[in-house]
Amino acid sequence: SQKIEQNSEALNIQEGKTATLTCNYTNYSPAYLQWYRQDPGRGPVFLLLIRENEKEKRKERLKVTFDTTLKQSLFHITASQPADSATYLCALDTTGGFKTIFGAGTRLFVKA
Amino acid sequence: EAGVAQSPRYKIIEKRQSVAFWCNPISGHATLYWYQQILGQGPKLLIQFQNNGVVDDSQLPKDRFSAERLKGVDSTLKIQPAKLEDSAVYLCASSLELAGAFDGELFFGEGSRLTVL
Repeated sequence: SQKIEQNSEALNIQEGKTATLTCNYTNYSPAYLQWYRQDPGRGPVFLLLIRENEKEKRKERLKVTFDTTLKQSLFHITASQPADSATYLCALDTTGGFKTIFGAGTRLFVKA
Repeated sequence: EAGVAQSPRYKIIEKRQSVAFWCNPISGHATLYWYQQILGQGPKLLIQFQNNGVVDDSQLPKDRFSAERLKGVDSTLKIQPAKLEDSAVYLCASSLELAGAFDGELFFGEGSRLTVL
């Protein structure tokens, strides 16, 4: 079955630095991959979607890469701010593209 | 544009009792999802509707969970009887695209937090 792995350890970085989060998947080749942000007590909020034929996508301070050979996506936040502190979830489609499954998320803390 | 509405936000019940959660998706969104999120884990898909038909319910514990989407709009998720392990946040989401032709984001509600004692 499809598996999504995100670093379960929290990531602590200093304000202004680049945060890099990793998402690895196995037993599948998704057609697309998404990243969501989730704040405590709130529902996830969509950030970016990248397709299998795209290597990289950017949105403001966010950048996502998708390496289908390594079966890995990297999520970067440049010039990080304390307001970026949240849990970031990786999600991908499943066989046939009928549903979206999520990883466990990585908690990011940005210190001022 | 109004977002996905869910109620109640919080519910505390004893084990073996029943509970129901309600979701109103974004207007015009054909696909509706119910996810279960246990503390420290990612959302787990329970059931997915396209209009008022079920697309996937393979991970729904059908002996105790049921869900319906009347008239292809609102949806209700019911648990009866509840177990301790059902304590979680139940997230409703909707998307514009039809199942099988997914091409976009999921819009989530704030969730309904269930505590089973």
